[in-house]
Amino acid sequence: ELKVEQNPLFLSMQEGKNYTIYCNYSTTSDRLYWYRQDPGKSLESLFVLLSNGAVKQEGRLMASLDTKARLSTLHITAAVHDLSATYFCAGRPLFHYNQGGKLIFGQGTELSVKP
Amino acid sequence: GAVVSQHPSRVICKSGTSVKIECRSLDFQATTMFWYRQFPKQSLMLMATSNEGSKATYEQGVEKDKFLINHASLTLSTLTVTSAHPEDSSFYICSARDRDRYNSPLHFGNGTRLTVT
Repeated sequence: ELKVEQNPLFLSMQEGKNYTIYCNYSTTSDRLYWYRQDPGKSLESLFVLLSNGAVKQEGRLMASLDTKARLSTLHITAAVHDLSATYFCAGRPLFHYNQGGKLIFGQGTELSVKP
Repeated sequence: GAVVSQHPSRVICKSGTSVKIECRSLDFQATTMFWYRQFPKQSLMLMATSNEGSKATYEQGVEKDKFLINHASLTLSTLTVTSAHPEDSSFYICSARDRDRYNSPLHFGNGTRLTVT
């Protein structure tokens, strides 16, 4: 059974600093997703990582995937207040085609960027 | 982009009543939709996978008689919380993927905040 673990769970950053959120998963997942959630809101898709070595960047966020280490990272560069949110990674279990590709989520990382 | 519409966004009901939540894919067809539940400051827990034209697949520990799921068309799934109790109060979020784009992310509805008094 796929398990997904994130760390840290809480992250307080100063504006302008860099930091990385880590996402480990327990068994083979054929892809890795990153989502953002603002308080009281639903989830917004950030990245879909499909293969080993995949790297994607959008603005100050960059996500990567190492399938051999079963690790994905979300790197934040020069953080700004607008990035304050909860970030989730999610894996999709392999061989669950008959279940339409359900996602299993990590615990979430609550990011607070302070001036 | 792909839009998932969820309704209602907020509902308050009395203990013992039933509540129906609708999830629609507006600009794509979804063979499968997923229902998640989220408690405050916690992660999303998958409750069940809704399959168009067939029975839903429930995750371990989720009572299928309490959380009734119907997926009657390629654009609509409904979750009915039957005989709701205060412990059912939660944020329920549906999601769907375009059936023609298997590599695309799951798109999420805006969620339904259920409060049972």
